[in-house]
Amino acid sequence: GDSVTQMEGPVTLSEEAFLTINCTYTATGYPSLFWYVQYPGEGLQLLLKATKADDKGSNKGFEATYRKETTSFHLEKGSVQVSDSAVYFCALSDRNQAGTALIFGKGTTLSVSS
Amino acid sequence: DVKVTQSSRYLVKRTGEKVFLECVQDMDHENMFWYRQDPGLGLRLIYFSYDVKMKEKGDIPEGYSVSREKKERFSLILESASTNQTSMYLCASGATGAYNSPLHFGNGTRLTVT
Repeated sequence: GDSVTQMEGPVTLSEEAFLTINCTYTATGYPSLFWYVQYPGEGLQLLLKATKADDKGSNKGFEATYRKETTSFHLEKGSVQVSDSAVYFCALSDRNQAGTALIFGKGTTLSVSS
Repeated sequence: DVKVTQSSRYLVKRTGEKVFLECVQDMDHENMFWYRQDPGLGLRLIYFSYDVKMKEKGDIPEGYSVSREKKERFSLILESASTNQTSMYLCASGATGAYNSPLHFGNGTRLTVT
């Protein structure tokens, strides 16, 4: 079945460091890909998405490019801030399985210190 | 903004009790979901619903049931709570066509079963 694998954390960085969180997927159809973020004490919220190969999603300085050839959707940010400390989830939804719920990775905890 | 409201932020119940977790969304979304979040396991889908009175099992439905009598409300029921159901429970809603539409999450209910 479909699945998402993301790098295990925690990831600990200093402010202004470069961030990469790796995400790879397995899907039988043509998935849309998402990154969600969960700040402490809150539910998940959509960070960015890409719906087809080579699309780049971006938001709040974060970017991710849908790479079909490597089945990857790595999250990057050029300069992290303390306020980016959160848990990040990669997820997919398979277009060929209409109505299927999102499938999530296990989450990566990011901790940014000043 | 879409709002997904979970009735309780924290719950403490005893083993064997019947537990109701309530979720209400205000955007007329067709799709609603219950996930369970545990450290190291990410989000796992318990049940979902694509229409009133309709339900589908997710990956871990054992020990749970759901009810959707009205479009805006989706209830998760623990028929006889057990300690291994201590967890964070997240409700989400989304428009039809999940492959393109993001899910909107509530802030979660942290359930402790003693």
